[in-house]
Amino acid sequence: KQEVTQIPAALSVPEGENLVLNCSFTDSAIYNLQWFRQDPGKGLTSLLLIQSSQREQTSGRLNASLDKSSGRSTLYIAASQPGDSATYLCAVSGSGGSGSARQLTFGSGTQLTVLP
Amino acid sequence: DGGITQSPKYLFRKEGQNVTLSCEQNLNHDAMYWYRQDPGQGLRLIYYSHIVNDFQKGDIAEGYSVSREKKESFPLTVTSAQKNPTAFYLCASSTQGGAGYGYTFGSGTRLTVV
Repeated sequence: KQEVTQIPAALSVPEGENLVLNCSFTDSAIYNLQWFRQDPGKGLTSLLLIQSSQREQTSGRLNASLDKSSGRSTLYIAASQPGDSATYLCAVSGSGGSGSARQLTFGSGTQLTVLP
Repeated sequence: DGGITQSPKYLFRKEGQNVTLSCEQNLNHDAMYWYRQDPGQGLRLIYYSHIVNDFQKGDIAEGYSVSREKKESFPLTVTSAQKNPTAFYLCASSTQGGAGYGYTFGSGTRLTVV
């Protein structure tokens, strides 16, 4: 069964720093990997989606990489801002042929605090 | 604006009571999902549906029930058989029955047992 781990569980940085969030998964046979942002008491907002054939995706100050063979992904945030404070969740989907096999498995998240 | 609407935002349940959480989407998405989130944990899948009048159990379906009579609606009932229902419940949808097409999430319902 797929397991997704995110390290660290919490991170606090001063404004302006570049930072990296880590995600690892046990089964490398994935269909894709997604990074989400969750603000307190809110739903999830999709940040980046990386297909299994891709190595990375970029959106603004965010860059996500994927190394399927090692079961790892990183989310890089450049020039962090207080508004980036949130919980960041990583999720992977299986590569089975049917839709049921492609459900998302989530990590427990990294709670990021950017200090002004 | 297209999106997913969950209601109510907060819900209180007495012991032994069934409660129903609403989830409505106007994105014309085929697939809909219910997740449960406990403090400090990721999301766990309760039920999902890829097409009207069909749904499947997820990892933690015991004590829950769903229906999918309309494409736009996927209500979740938390029954008295669910022994620890206090949690944050999130509904999501996607364009097809697979995660490769991106998920849209609702804003969640926080359920508390009193």
